[in-house]
Amino acid sequence: AQKVTQAQTEISVVEKEDVTLDCVYETRDTTYYLFWYKQPPSGELVFLIRRNSFDEQNEISGRYSWNFQKSTSSFNFTITASQVVDSAVYFCALSEGDTGRRALTFGSGTRLQVQP
Amino acid sequence: DAMVIQNPRYQVTQFGKPVTLSCSQTLNHNVMYWYQQKSSQAPKLLFHYYDKDFNNEADTPDNFQSRRPNTSFCFLDIRSPGLGDAAMYLCATSRDSVRLNYLSTDTQYFGPGTRLTVL
Repeated sequence: AQKVTQAQTEISVVEKEDVTLDCVYETRDTTYYLFWYKQPPSGELVFLIRRNSFDEQNEISGRYSWNFQKSTSSFNFTITASQVVDSAVYFCALSEGDTGRRALTFGSGTRLQVQP
Repeated sequence: DAMVIQNPRYQVTQFGKPVTLSCSQTLNHNVMYWYQQKSSQAPKLLFHYYDKDFNNEADTPDNFQSRRPNTSFCFLDIRSPGLGDAAMYLCATSRDSVRLNYLSTDTQYFGPGTRLTVL
């Protein structure tokens, strides 16, 4: 069965620090999709990135970057020069392609607090 | 802007009194989902519609039902809310397609959620 582990429950940093959120996943499928979502205090889940299992290229989007490594089943997320607006709960999620099952399996989330 | 809309944003109901939550989308996506998220937990899928086909998760209680009268709208009905049903309910949509021999899963886009309180 699929599983997503976010071992860091809560991280607190000071503004302008870099921070990495860890995500480790388990799946038997050869085709799968990985996602990161941000959930600010308002509650809405905001999509950040999607990666499929065939694309191991790392990605950078402004202050955000993602490191996908199949060899270690990890999909880590780094925020460079963090800002107070980055404070939120971040969820890593997995959906499997081989079975056609569409459900997102979420990790338990990492709460990031960025102090001014 | 294309989006997912949920109404109301906050809903208070009494123990045992039926309640309906609503979701609409302007993305023209063929799949719509309902998730339940309890405090400090990850979202948990209740069910989803692939076009008009209803797909229930095995552990979703019978107390939860859903209707999708057309592509744009989907409703979550809680027939007899209990105190344990207090949660944030999130609606999401995606556009799925079959490519070659496997299902291509597109990104799920979420609405702002409805926070349900049960008194």
